Parts: sequence; structure tokens; C-alpha cells
Amino acid sequence: AQRVTQPEKLLSVFKGAPVELKCNYSYSGSPELFWYVQYSRQRLQLLLRHISRESIKGFTADLNKGETSFHLKKPFAQEEDSAMYYCALRAQEGNNRLAFGKGNQVVVIP
Amino acid sequence: GAVVSQHPSRVICKSGTSVKIECRSLDFQATTMFWYRQFPKQSLMLMATSNEGSKATYEQGVEKDKFLINHASLTLSTLTVTSAHPEDSSFYICSARDQGPNRNQPQHFGDGTRLSIL
Repeated sequence: AQRVTQPEKLLSVFKGAPVELKCNYSYSGSPELFWYVQYSRQRLQLLLRHISRESIKGFTADLNKGETSFHLKKPFAQEEDSAMYYCALRAQEGNNRLAFGKGNQVVVIP
Repeated sequence: GAVVSQHPSRVICKSGTSVKIECRSLDFQATTMFWYRQFPKQSLMLMATSNEGSKATYEQGVEKDKFLINHASLTLSTLTVTSAHPEDSSFYICSARDQGPNRNQPQHFGDGTRLSIL
């Protein structure tokens, strides 16, 4: 079974400070990892995915299979980064369903 | 980019009413769509996987007769909450993935439907 763990529910950081959101997963097969973001009153949208290996809005995330982690990082937080962030895992087998973590609410303090 | 349209965005109705929510992929085809439920300040919980032309696959604990899913075409899935009661009040979100040649497309989400049963 797929399982995604995001330990901290709420993260408050000052503008310009680094942000790191932790995500650990449990899955016996070959996973695909995503970070989704939900800004206030907006739909859930894809932030980045591990296979792309790109930086979006200054965020990066590296898949560490040894530690089964996919932590999200940004060196300098901006006010517009305040949002809910969800880590998600998609199984490569079966119906490719997404399993979500519980989410992190990030509040960037001006 | 790929867009998923969900309608209606908000429903308020009396207990016992059946409510239908539509999910459309606007510029791509989706043989599979997913229905989620989100409680306040909690994560998305997958309710069921909607399969075009066949029966939906429900997650454990989700009542098939309560949450009817129909996926009649490659761009439309509907979720009907039958005889809704206050405990069914929630935020329902659908998502779909472009089933084109590239199997590695991410899922795209609708805006969600806030259902309030009085």
C-alpha cells in the first residue's frame, strides 16, 4: 500500500528565511513523487515532480530512495509562498492512483 | 495546459436530496478520473476511481450506493451523492490525467464542489 507522511502540519517562517517541508513515503514498488500546492481559494495545482528535476518558483525537491524521502526546499521564502503544500505518491502500477500526505500549511511572515 | 472543470462549485440543499457533481476534462481525454473528499484542514481522501465505460473502483469504507459514479465519456465523470445527509457535507474534488501517448502526465484537479446539507 502507498503511504505518504508529512510530519508538520503548520510551518511559520519569516520572509527570506529558508523553508523545508518534509515528506517520507512508504511503497514497495517504483514510486513517482509530486508536490502539489493549494493557494487560498484556488484549486490544487502541481508544483513539481521528481522526474522533472526542475526548480519551480524557487522550490526544489530531490527523491532520496535510500531514505524514502522527497523533501521540498526553498532557500528564501516569499510572502506569496503562503499556501497548503501536499506531497503525493503515484504508483507506477495499477490505476496510477495518487496518495496524498496530510499537507503542510506554510505561513510566511512579512 | 490541461484543465479540469467541476460543476457546481457550491451546493446547499436539504437533507434527503440527491446531488450530482460533474467533472469535465476540457482539452484532453481521460479514461480515468478520480474523486476525492476533503474535510476542513485535512488532506484529500480518495473516494473512488472512475473508469470510462466500466464500473468505478471504490476505496474501502466508501459506500457505492451512496456515491454513484458514472463515466459515460472520455471527458465527463459524474458523482451523485444520493439521499444526502448532513454528514455528507464536505468538499469534493475531482481530478483527471491526460491519457495521451505520454503515460507520465500528472493529475490535474478541478476547483472542487462545496456541498452543504442542511
